[in-house]
Amino acid sequence: RKEVEQDPGPFNVPEGATVAFNCTYSNSASQSFFWYRQDCRKEPKLLMSVYSSGNEDGRFTAQLNRASQYISLLIRDSKLSDSATYLCVVGDYKLSFGAGTTVTVRA
Amino acid sequence: GAGVSQSPRYKVAKRGQDVALRCDPISGHVSLFWYQQALGQGPEFLTYFQNEAQLDKSGLPSDRFFAERPEGSVSTLKIQRTQQEDSAVYLCASSFSREGGDITDTQYFGPGTRLTVL
Repeated sequence: RKEVEQDPGPFNVPEGATVAFNCTYSNSASQSFFWYRQDCRKEPKLLMSVYSSGNEDGRFTAQLNRASQYISLLIRDSKLSDSATYLCVVGDYKLSFGAGTTVTVRA
Repeated sequence: GAGVSQSPRYKVAKRGQDVALRCDPISGHVSLFWYQQALGQGPEFLTYFQNEAQLDKSGLPSDRFFAERPEGSVSTLKIQRTQQEDSAVYLCASSFSREGGDITDTQYFGPGTRLTVL
């Protein structure tokens, strides 16, 4: 069983829509959680860290449920530029990545 | 400022050939990481350096894989006797984390080296 599991999608949404997806992780001792974004054939880039209390960064909202061991990401008012693969990441120095959820925002 | 750079960006090797992949971390970054990303998968951890010390090599898939960072800056990942299953993108990341500091400092990734073994 992989340490981080994600729904691969793809999620195909119109501009302006809200899209949400989550991932689950297996190591209950994990302390650090992130969402990374990866564009096609590019390197992963940190989108946001995820905190226990939940956090927002502009149109992006991340939630962490430690009891159920899942992490969610919600994107409001989707833009064409949000089209990417979103990687759920767990770990401290040794990051464990999910396989990614592909989001395509159409005009 | 300059980010993490990697070279070559693309490498085609014949099965059995040795390859060396280079990573130049962001200047001043103490920690350096190597990851392997197969097609359609997320990156998988290979190894971690703090300065020149290799503190974790638990992700290296076999003894054909070897990484070094002799002067605590540039790192090289070497794969001996390459096999087809080694075909992947090899990503290097660095972070500022210093010894005793926050080990969860953001990891900044380089563009990767796409290795194809024929």
